[in-house]
Amino acid sequence: QVQLVQSGSELKKPGASVKVSCKASGYTFTSYAMNWVRQAPGQGLEWMGWINTNTGNPTYAQGFTGRFVFSLDTSVSTAYLQISSLKAEDTAVYYCARDLEGYSSYYFDYWGQGTLVTVSS
Amino acid sequence: DIQMTQSPSSVSASVGDRVTITCRASQGISSWLAWYQQKPGKAPKLLIYAASSLQSGVPSRFSGSGSGTDFTLTISSLQPEDFATYYCQQANSFPALTFGGGTKVEIK
Repeated sequence: QVQLVQSGSELKKPGASVKVSCKASGYTFTSYAMNWVRQAPGQGLEWMGWINTNTGNPTYAQGFTGRFVFSLDTSVSTAYLQISSLKAEDTAVYYCARDLEGYSSYYFDYWGQGTLVTVSS
Repeated sequence: DIQMTQSPSSVSASVGDRVTITCRASQGISSWLAWYQQKPGKAPKLLIYAASSLQSGVPSRFSGSGSGTDFTLTISSLQPEDFATYYCQQANSFPALTFGGGTKVEIK
């Protein structure tokens, strides 16, 4: 069965960096784009962008350029989200989510369990 | 970016009620719309995609309709497990995918 398993919660100080992992299983990793979605405490969902798991090419939504980097290790079917120069407003749950039809639907059928990143001094 | 506006922001209903949630796009998105259900502390779950296609495994009491700018999610007979927050998402304008603000379905 398809599973996306994310790394555990992180507590970071402002200015630090964090790397969240999303390990996929149960399907061919390189056949489906991987998306990242942010949810601030008590707030709604924000699409951050996606990464083409076949080519490694990332696409970032407006507002998520510069400090946010998507990457892959296809040998272990894992996608990564790295955030640098962390700010208090980066405190949120970060989800990875698979594209429903590979690279063309822009809907998200399987989601990781979420990783809470807390930025506090 | 296309703005997605959901209404109401919350609704109180009883088990067995018919519940309707509306999502309006700031510009036409054809049928490029999905609905998700999210329970507290859990990841969202895809219910409906392409405005009216039921995702595999989702109960048939959930249905979606609409095209262009106005969309509806209907729960025909509310069950205890349906109390959650529901989000719409437009998939028309990649790479600027956006979600609505959410509708919380609460127990009356």
